Amino acid sequence: GAVVSQHPSWVICKSGTSVKIECRSLDFQATTMFWYRQFPKQSLMLMATSNEGSKATYEQGVEKDKFLINHASLTLSTLTVTSAHPEDSSFYICSALTGTGGNPQHFGDGTRLSIL
Amino acid sequence: RKEVEQDPGPFNVPEGATVAFNCTYSNSASQSFFWYRQDCRKEPKLLMSVYSSGNEDGRFTAQLNRASQYISLLIRDSKLSDSATYLCVVNRGGNQFYFGTGTSLTVIP
Repeated sequence: GAVVSQHPSWVICKSGTSVKIECRSLDFQATTMFWYRQFPKQSLMLMATSNEGSKATYEQGVEKDKFLINHASLTLSTLTVTSAHPEDSSFYICSALTGTGGNPQHFGDGTRLSIL
Repeated sequence: RKEVEQDPGPFNVPEGATVAFNCTYSNSASQSFFWYRQDCRKEPKLLMSVYSSGNEDGRFTAQLNRASQYISLLIRDSKLSDSATYLCVVNRGGNQFYFGTGTSLTVIP
């Protein structure tokens, strides 16, 4: 159980393109979803926390107009990187949480974004 | 002080060895604790939750010491496939999760 699917797994596109990444919890309802990015050999960096039906909470330094998050249902959250530039190239990972904080997060398999 | 501190390693151990990682946390109100493993260029995968009484899953044993505010992970009889980065994660309640920087383990044939 607790499967989280992330799509696409790999994206290569030109600078200026907007890219949408989907995160789905397949066999449970996710009350909260998290979006992270990770640069090579570095730790996961939390970008934002989203709860179904409400606006996402962004971490300091993360531009909410650049990284649009929509958590429309208990099984789907999307992250759109708008007008992506080469410095946005990174590994983006979502995770989903059900219930209270006593439960672990379950991670999607990540999206490798390369902007040319 | 960081919420969660973890020795980054790297730990290089021979096959069959026993290896232990520790992770300290700064907030005594922390409620839940987890160990994840992350392979290179992959997402973190839950290895085990850490319970107050300690828990074991095969070759892996996790322990929690609330008095000293640390959690540990012990791996016995290391396999080549155990090579990965091990992340400790601490939950302070609600949606507040804090990640360690990860400990790199390489098991050598």
